[in-house]
This record gives sequence, structure tokens and C-alpha cells, in this order.
Amino acid sequence: AQKVTQTQTSISVVEKTTVTMDCVYETRDSSYFLFWYKQTASGEIVFLIRQDSYKKENATVGHYSLNFQKPKSSIGLIITATQIEDSAVYFCAMRVLYQGGRALIFGTGTTVSVSP
Amino acid sequence: EAAVTQSPRNKVTVTGGNVTLSCRQTNSHNYMYWYRQDTGHGLRLIHYSYGAGNLQIGDVPDGYKATRTTQEDFFLLLELASPSQTSLYFCASSDALANTEVFFGKGTRLTVV
Repeated sequence: AQKVTQTQTSISVVEKTTVTMDCVYETRDSSYFLFWYKQTASGEIVFLIRQDSYKKENATVGHYSLNFQKPKSSIGLIITATQIEDSAVYFCAMRVLYQGGRALIFGTGTTVSVSP
Repeated sequence: EAAVTQSPRNKVTVTGGNVTLSCRQTNSHNYMYWYRQDTGHGLRLIHYSYGAGNLQIGDVPDGYKATRTTQEDFFLLLELASPSQTSLYFCASSDALANTEVFFGKGTRLTVV
């Protein structure tokens, strides 16, 4: 089975601190790609960061970074120096071979609330 | 910037009615997708396509048809709408490479009464 699981439903943090959210995945592919997306309050879904399974280095983009633990099939998202605008729903996703093509499958999302 | 445009943005229909959701991308992407978003379920794949005339079944296809008429246009059809299909629908597109991001439209909120 190919599956993405996010167990944390919601997280609350204070502005300027660090938030970490978890994601585990299942895949039979030897090479795969993991993504994090953000859904803003307006409903817009935007791409944040990607991890290629064959790369040992954790990806970093701005104040987003990943904690990739391949033996544990885990890809955590870390947001440092959080801002109010980081309040959103964060989705973990995996690009997989599915029914003859490549599809993006998602976890159920983690809602992050950043307060002053 | 990749552009994916969905129409309508909001739709109310009655149980048993026909609904067509439209999606157009102007990025020459091969892949287009339809997802539904419901509380507690995240984004679930309904159908997707990797080219004009192609259609692949996703995780939750029951009650939905889809058609990819051109490289740019992908339609989702609900021929006998039911209240369980009340949801927020997203269209998305990407190119064929596995490591490229998927671009999303702004969503269509469908209510079946």
C-alpha cells in the first residue's frame, strides 16, 4: 500500500518559536519524492519544500526545513522563527506510481496556529 | 507562475442533479488531477489524467466521471449528485517529472442540497 499519515491534528505555538510536525509514509517504490504543501486561510494550496529519497541531506528552503529519516519512513517539517502568517494547514504528500501514472497522495493535514 | 483556473468557484445543486466542474491550465503540463477535500480526510484523489483523452482512476472515484478534452482542459462530472458529494474540489496540474511540484487551482465549493 502507498500511504501518507499525519497523526497530529493541530499544533499551537507562540510567534518566533519553532514548530515541528510529523509525517510517515509507506511506499513500495525504491525512489520517491516527498513534498510539503501549505493551505492558507483563503484556501489556497501552495508548495513549500521537497525531499528526494535518494538524497541524504535534509532539504531547506527559507525558514522551512525537513527531518528526513529514511529507515523510519519519516519526513518531518520544521518551521523556525514562526510568524503569524505561518498559521495554516500543512499537508505532507508523496508522488507515487499509481494506476499507470504518477499521482500525488496526501496526508490528512496538520493545522498550525501561531499566536502573538 | 503556473496557472490553474477552476470554474465555477461556488455551486449549489439539488440531489440528483447534473454538475460539471471545469479546470483549465495554461502551463502545458501533462498531468491534471481532481481532488476533494473534506474535514478529517485531507485531499483525496478522484481522477487524474496524463494527457488528452487519458483518464486514470483515483482513490475515491465512485459517483464521478472525468474527461480530458485537451491538454489544457479537464472536467469533473457528477451525473446524479448526492449530498455526500458536498465538498471542496481542487484541480491541479504538473508536468511528467516525478520530482516537480503540483500546482493547484483555487477550488470549487460544491453544495448538494
